[in-house]
Amino acid sequence: QVKLLQSGAALVKPGASVKMSCKASGYTFTDYWVSWVKQSHGKSLEWIGEIYPNSGATNFNEKFKGKATLTVDKSTSTAYMELSRLTSEDSAIYYCTRLNFDYWGQGVMVTVSS
Amino acid sequence: DIQMTQSPSSLPASLGDRVTITCRASQDIGNYLRWFQQKPGKSPRLMIYGATNLAAGVPSRFSGSRSGSDYSLTINSLESEDMAIYYCLQHNEYPLTFGSGTKLEIK
Repeated sequence: QVKLLQSGAALVKPGASVKMSCKASGYTFTDYWVSWVKQSHGKSLEWIGEIYPNSGATNFNEKFKGKATLTVDKSTSTAYMELSRLTSEDSAIYYCTRLNFDYWGQGVMVTVSS
Repeated sequence: DIQMTQSPSSLPASLGDRVTITCRASQDIGNYLRWFQQKPGKSPRLMIYGATNLAAGVPSRFSGSRSGSDYSLTINSLESEDMAIYYCLQHNEYPLTFGSGTKLEIK
């Protein structure tokens, strides 16, 4: 069955970076775009961007350009998102999801605090 | 960016009720509209795709419809397990945008 397994929660200092992972299983990883979605505490969902594992092509929400970097490792069927220059506004839960948004990871809680 | 105006933000309802949640798109999105259910501490779950199609495993009391730029999610005969927050998503144009959410709660 399709699964997206994300890395664990992260506590990071302001100004630092964080890299999270999303390991896919149960389907051909290179066939489906992987999107990343942000959910701030008690708020709605924001689409950050997506990556096509086969080619590495990406599409971004302009709001997150310069903030998020998306990469993949085809050998391990894993997608990564790195967030840079973190501020309190980046504290949130981050989800990875497959094309069609039919399968989601369990989410990574990122807390930015000194 | 396409704005998805979702209403109501909160919807108190009783078990057995029929309820409707609506998203209005600021631009044409065709049928590129999905609905999600999210329960506390859980990831969103796809309920409806293509505006009107039931996702796999979703009970038949859920349905989606479209009237012009208004998209609706209807739940017939509410059950306790339906209490959650519901979001719409347009994926016709980048950036993809979500509605602000509707919290469905027991009256």
